[in-house]
Amino acid sequence: DTEVTQTPKHLVMGMTNKKSLKCEQHMGHRAMYWYKQKAKKPPELMFVYSYEKLSINESVPSRFSPECPNSSLLNLHLHALQPEDSALYLCASSQVGGFVSYNEQFFGPGTRLTVL
Amino acid sequence: AQKVTQAQTEISVVEKEDVTLDCVYETRDTTYYLFWYKQPPSGELVFLIRRNSFDEQNEISGRYSWNFQKSTSSFNFTITASQVVDSAVYFCALSEERSSNTGKLIFGQGTTLQVKP
Repeated sequence: DTEVTQTPKHLVMGMTNKKSLKCEQHMGHRAMYWYKQKAKKPPELMFVYSYEKLSINESVPSRFSPECPNSSLLNLHLHALQPEDSALYLCASSQVGGFVSYNEQFFGPGTRLTVL
Repeated sequence: AQKVTQAQTEISVVEKEDVTLDCVYETRDTTYYLFWYKQPPSGELVFLIRRNSFDEQNEISGRYSWNFQKSTSSFNFTITASQVVDSAVYFCALSEERSSNTGKLIFGQGTTLQVKP
């Protein structure tokens, strides 16, 4: 199994809603990532988990709350979002070797989020 | 400072033409890693290739080839005999050794390739 799955594919939410994005991989990867991608822009890193521990938070607003319940799952909890948070949210995973950086990241298909 | 530049914003070719996507990078690290990803309209980023800074050997995979030149800090990607299915946004990315415990990728702005039948 060499894929990363993400649910839901599309999500529309109001600014007062609470929702969660889910990401799953079964490749035995121990690093998992959340990215945000606006239209016609490259992905922007939000969070990195390594061995189920948060290793990077790229100054993301607290209305985004990541969670890594186990080595295969990564969640992104959303609360009180703004319309400008509308974007494609991508999850990725990679191996963790002697140097994480050389391990290619495998991406999921993304969740297209619209905040009304 | 680390940076990846993809100067070509959009490229349009006719099927069967060859096309080269340019990528120029900046880094102070002597050890680094370069990547190319493809993003079709469906949204998923598809990994194409990884290159280590200490390996300048060019690579060919079917219709795809990559030219890595440290002297010019470039890592260009050529598609031979392009096909409509090659239409996508292509991202070049850099990962530095100093980020070795984070896996942080620095992406270029992407090049949108349109292959017309």
